[in-house]
Amino acid sequence: EIVLTQSPATLSVSPGERATLSCRASQSVGSNLAWYQQRPGQAPRLLIYIASTRATGIPARFSGSGSGTEFTLTISSLQSEDFAVYYCQQYNNWPPHGRTFGQGTKVEIK
Amino acid sequence: ELQLVESGGGLVQPGGSLRLSCAASGFIFNHHDFNWVRQAPGKALEWVSYITRSGEIIYYADSVRGRFTLSRDNAKKSLSLQMSSLRAEDTGVYYCVRVHEAGYHYGMDVWGQGSTVIVSS
Repeated sequence: EIVLTQSPATLSVSPGERATLSCRASQSVGSNLAWYQQRPGQAPRLLIYIASTRATGIPARFSGSGSGTEFTLTISSLQSEDFAVYYCQQYNNWPPHGRTFGQGTKVEIK
Repeated sequence: ELQLVESGGGLVQPGGSLRLSCAASGFIFNHHDFNWVRQAPGKALEWVSYITRSGEIIYYADSVRGRFTLSRDNAKKSLSLQMSSLRAEDTGVYYCVRVHEAGYHYGMDVWGQGSTVIVSS
């Protein structure tokens, strides 16, 4: 079972600042990792797939990097609408055995 | 407009059954695989089930296997998640989620608004 660990659990950032979120896999998932954003009271939204490819309509301030077991989601300049919970998801093992999503990182206003 | 609309959620007693439906519009339904993903109150996302575009291959999370049954009707552009022997830990919001046409490596790219299931006596 692959376990995804996201850190930090909560990130306090001022608008306009850079946010860096981490996702660590318990074993290699190659580049088979996606990131999702969930705003309060809303359904999640796909941001990044194959570790670094932005989904359709996602602003360029969102970028993903990493491979193997270490991944990063960077938001270059936080906008008000970016304060949300972010989840990573691995699909190297499909169907997943156990959890496929990380536990989430909440990005809150500092 | 791309849209997935879930329905059928509600309050059910432990051990009871419920059937969730997902109606799709705005895209070619049978070009896509689908997932159901759920979220317990205040908790992380949890994958529940996956069905291929033909409906021939279906996968379930260990936590629901043997109790949930996923099916699709490509003619009606709909999915159905039959849930039985429900437990308190099945409580949450259930999302119908489209897989990118190119396959699951390209992410879950369209999400419904969710349907709330509460299992309680």
